[in-house]
Amino acid sequence: KAGVTQTPRYLIKTRGQQVTLSCSPISGHRSVSWYQQTPGQGLQFLFEYFSETQRNKGNFPGRFSGRQFSNSRSEMNVSTLELGDSALYLCASSLGTAFSFGPGTRLTVL
Amino acid sequence: GIQVEQSPPDLILQEGANSTLRCNFSDSVNNLQWFHQNPWGQLINLFYIPSGTKQNGRLSATTVATERYSLLYISSSQTTDSGVYFCAVVNRDDKIIFGKGTRLHILP
Repeated sequence: KAGVTQTPRYLIKTRGQQVTLSCSPISGHRSVSWYQQTPGQGLQFLFEYFSETQRNKGNFPGRFSGRQFSNSRSEMNVSTLELGDSALYLCASSLGTAFSFGPGTRLTVL
Repeated sequence: GIQVEQSPPDLILQEGANSTLRCNFSDSVNNLQWFHQNPWGQLINLFYIPSGTKQNGRLSATTVATERYSLLYISSSQTTDSGVYFCAVVNRDDKIIFGKGTRLHILP
């Protein structure tokens, strides 16, 4: 069974731009969640989607948004990028209990 | 909200040594998992263990939910065990909360 995939793996943007990251969950998993990892703040929960609905949201500004499609694939968008948005963005899928993570997208904002 | 504390924050061991990593959590949880993050950033699921004991090769984990802690044991460490080990719990609001991790260095 294929694991969680994320694209792109690496991304460089400049301040003020926007970015869209994609996550394809394990087949059959309907829950997708997103996390931001930085050296200072560690791993922080962004949001979770289940059956195309946002089920949970972390404490991030409205510049961070996401959506889930009918095939469970999910995208997250960050608008008006700031230097502090540089991070590893991880997504995970689950079938109710254990979470499986993708390889992450490393975003650098210049 | 729920607090997840991991100890020690850093651990340096010689190859072949054993280690115990601890995760304390401040409230009841629905789910607890241990992950290993490799040098490329990939989080690898080690154990799903909300309670009880599990073993997988040289690794084992025990969660005592009533006392709000979990332990990860690594025996006969190898250099490939190096990386950061995270404990993550799911709270009553179904949000996953990570500890800050234990950075493990295994020296050859």
